[in-house]
Amino acid sequence: DQQVKQNSPSLSVQEGRISILNCDYTNSMFDYFLWYKKYPAEGPTFLISISSIKDKNEDGRFTVFLNKSAKHLSLHIVPSQPGDSAVYFCAASEGRGGTSYGKLTFGQGTILTVHP
Amino acid sequence: DTAVSQTPKYLVTQMGNDKSIKCEQNLGHDTMYWYKQDSKKFLKIMFSYNNKELIINETVPNRFSPKSPDKAHLNLHINSLELGDSAVYFCASSQDPTGSTDTQYFGPGTRLTVL
Repeated sequence: DQQVKQNSPSLSVQEGRISILNCDYTNSMFDYFLWYKKYPAEGPTFLISISSIKDKNEDGRFTVFLNKSAKHLSLHIVPSQPGDSAVYFCAASEGRGGTSYGKLTFGQGTILTVHP
Repeated sequence: DTAVSQTPKYLVTQMGNDKSIKCEQNLGHDTMYWYKQDSKKFLKIMFSYNNKELIINETVPNRFSPKSPDKAHLNLHINSLELGDSAVYFCASSQDPTGSTDTQYFGPGTRLTVL
């Protein structure tokens, strides 16, 4: 039972263009969402997050959008750079009041390749 | 300064052996975690500890025994290793998992190969 899904295994984008990575979830108890970036042979690095009380959070070139009714979030990278090439994981937690005590549920990742 | 560190980075061993992976964080966090990334690249939580106390145990076989000597360290000991244990194991830490916006920080991973 996969509660967080990233349906695109890979995405290829030209440098300077927008990259859009998508994530869907099924558990309505999730109220905090995170994106992690992972390079080969390294651990996931925190990128950006969003709480369910918001529908958008921006940090430089990275923006995360949350559509609670559709149980969908997306990560926009503008403009994309070759150094952004990595695996991007979406993760969710139940946050405050949840019984999962910090447990992160991850999607299976999307490989982003940004071509020069 | 590495925030979350793990040793060793690579571990190759025979079936049936016992091995340990060590994790240390210097972020001053109260909670530490072990995740397993399997061959299909899914990252799944195994354990979490808060101030040396076990909080989450996600139906992991009891051959896996986490040990937390203090809140900055969480080690993973695996007995009687099996082929299916081959994976990358990630340690993570966070400040307050009961908080609504708690963020976990990950170590570089330990790639375990069981032959």
